[in-house]
Amino acid sequence: EAGVAQSPRYKIIEKRQSVAFWCNPISGHATLYWYQQILGQGPKLLIQFQNNGVVDDSQLPKDRFSAERLKGVDSTLKIQPAKLEDSAVYLCASSLIGGSGRAGGNTIYFGEGSWLTVV
Amino acid sequence: DQQVKQNSPSLSVQEGRISILNCDYTNSMFDYFLWYKKYPAEGPTFLISISSIKDKNEDGRFTVFLNKSAKHLSLHIVPSQPGDSAVYFCAATLGFKTIFGAGTRLFVKA
Repeated sequence: EAGVAQSPRYKIIEKRQSVAFWCNPISGHATLYWYQQILGQGPKLLIQFQNNGVVDDSQLPKDRFSAERLKGVDSTLKIQPAKLEDSAVYLCASSLIGGSGRAGGNTIYFGEGSWLTVV
Repeated sequence: DQQVKQNSPSLSVQEGRISILNCDYTNSMFDYFLWYKKYPAEGPTFLISISSIKDKNEDGRFTVFLNKSAKHLSLHIVPSQPGDSAVYFCAATLGFKTIFGAGTRLFVKA
């Protein structure tokens, strides 16, 4: 079974530039998540989709971050304009249902992450 | 507002001994607790979980204990192996929301 695919793996941009990350979840997974992980911290949820609808985007800085999940499959996360504090790993994840934590169907599966450095 | 806390940033253990990773939480409404393991340059992978109505769950060398009165859970790894060296994240779920702790880096010395 193919895992969560993300690209690009690494990106270096200057502040005020824009960047986009792409994610392809595990086939059949209805829920897709974008997490931001800053060095030394745990993953922080930015946005959660159920199929192609947004379930939670309360921690997404909407003045500069946007995300979409067209057709309920692939997703893109965009940052424009980037700030120095956006340097982090952006983790895409998916689950079958909605993350209630039961081993098996509701487990969250993570991609390898997209490493962003803003200089 | 840190609802899930891992107060030890790192832990060093000798191979063959027990590793105990700790996690505290503040919200008594969490319904499930999970542990994820993360190697460098990889995404976190699910390790083990426990329902809030249980106090213990075991899977091979890994056991998770939940103390609801103390709002504390721990992950025991016995025996520890060098391949267990990684960052371990504690997480808690409330409905569809999952909240992660900051992680504890485990070093298992050969």
